[in-house]
Amino acid sequence: GQNIDQPTEMTATEGAIVQINCTYQTSGFNGLFWYQQHAGEAPTFLSYNVLDGLEEKGRFSSFLSRSKGYSYLLLKELQMKDSASYLCAVRDTDYKLSFGAGTTVTVRA
Amino acid sequence: DGGITQSPKYLFRKEGQNVTLSCEQNLNHDAMYWYRQDPGQGLRLIYYSQIVNDFQKGDIAEGYSVSREKKESFPLTVTSAQKNPTAFYLCASKSDSTYEQYFGPGTRLTVT
Repeated sequence: GQNIDQPTEMTATEGAIVQINCTYQTSGFNGLFWYQQHAGEAPTFLSYNVLDGLEEKGRFSSFLSRSKGYSYLLLKELQMKDSASYLCAVRDTDYKLSFGAGTTVTVRA
Repeated sequence: DGGITQSPKYLFRKEGQNVTLSCEQNLNHDAMYWYRQDPGQGLRLIYYSQIVNDFQKGDIAEGYSVSREKKESFPLTVTSAQKNPTAFYLCASKSDSTYEQYFGPGTRLTVT
């Protein structure tokens, strides 16, 4: 099985940087995903890491360390529209996803 | 436009009734998935299908049933055997050539 932990809530100011950590313990690993979900809406794909290191995509970056079972999502130049829940998900060797409970980020003016 | 549709967005049922949630995709994806989302919890996998006429149980399949008679459609039936059916239900699909799953808008089911 999978055990995926991420903080419940984070608050930051518009224009700032926020880092959302995700730790996992898995019986098999075949990639880690980050999704963004606005309240009442569908999750949308943000990033995918399967090798160690940093993947940068505009204002968002994601990092993975497989040996430590650790990932983070970095959100830079925060905007009000970034207020959402951020879901960490691990894919196992059967290509099924297991999700963490999500981190609700609130951006304040 | 290509995408995944789920209908209706809100659904209300009385306890003891079976209810079927629809999921349709025109993305030509082979794999489709059903998840359940409850407050404070991550998405949990109910059923998934990698190909037409085949599907597998996920982590919380009890009280649910599915069918996959067409590539485009993967309906989920919530039966009266499901003890706590009130939840937000999300359908997703995935292509063999990509790694991410694409999600539909979800159906919020309330059973009273």
